[in-house]
Amino acid sequence: DGGITQSPKYLFRKEGQNVTLSCEQNLNHDAMYWYRQDPGQGLRLIYYSQIVNDFQKGDIAEGYSVSREKKESFPLTVTSAQKNPTAFYLCASRADRYSSYNEQFFGPGTRLTVL
Amino acid sequence: EDQVTQSPEALRLQEGESSSLNCSYTVSGLRGLFWYRQDPGKGPEFLFTLYSAGEEKEKERLKATLTKKESFLHITAPKPEDSATYLCAVQAKGGSEKLVFGKGTKLTVNP
Repeated sequence: DGGITQSPKYLFRKEGQNVTLSCEQNLNHDAMYWYRQDPGQGLRLIYYSQIVNDFQKGDIAEGYSVSREKKESFPLTVTSAQKNPTAFYLCASRADRYSSYNEQFFGPGTRLTVL
Repeated sequence: EDQVTQSPEALRLQEGESSSLNCSYTVSGLRGLFWYRQDPGKGPEFLFTLYSAGEEKEKERLKATLTKKESFLHITAPKPEDSATYLCAVQAKGGSEKLVFGKGTKLTVNP
């Protein structure tokens, strides 16, 4: 089945640690995205990538880093510089960057908790 | 600045009681408006994309409509399994990849 997978489902981080969240898609989509969801707030864009080896900052990129070495994979690292990382992290992808279909499809999410 | 406001924040219905959810938006040229359904602890599930005023799309008990300032998600004869949070998002013209999301409407359908 085609889709987006995120791992782990739950992640616990100690203060000062960097952690990496995995996102893989087998939809052959060009564009991939990372969002953060906090209670009572809309989803906020962290980073996005429209093509391999290229990515752009979103609205809340501080304290996060990404890489896009393969079309299928877009891992997100939450660094110790992110002061309030506890949140639900969602990865999404979209088909062809030149497609007229703009909908993004989401993975199941990773819940990160800082201990 | 592009903005999306959804109302009400929460809605409780009896099974079979039809209603509508509202999504008001301000955007510098609309490229697309998107509706998603999100169950607790899960990622959003795509429902509809609307591109221009007057457009309507349907899926089972759901119907989405679009005007120049707002979109409605009409739910006809809802069932308990329709209980979820419904999210609205807009994308502006001009090559932006960004979706601006509202905070969502939490729908509860009681049997």
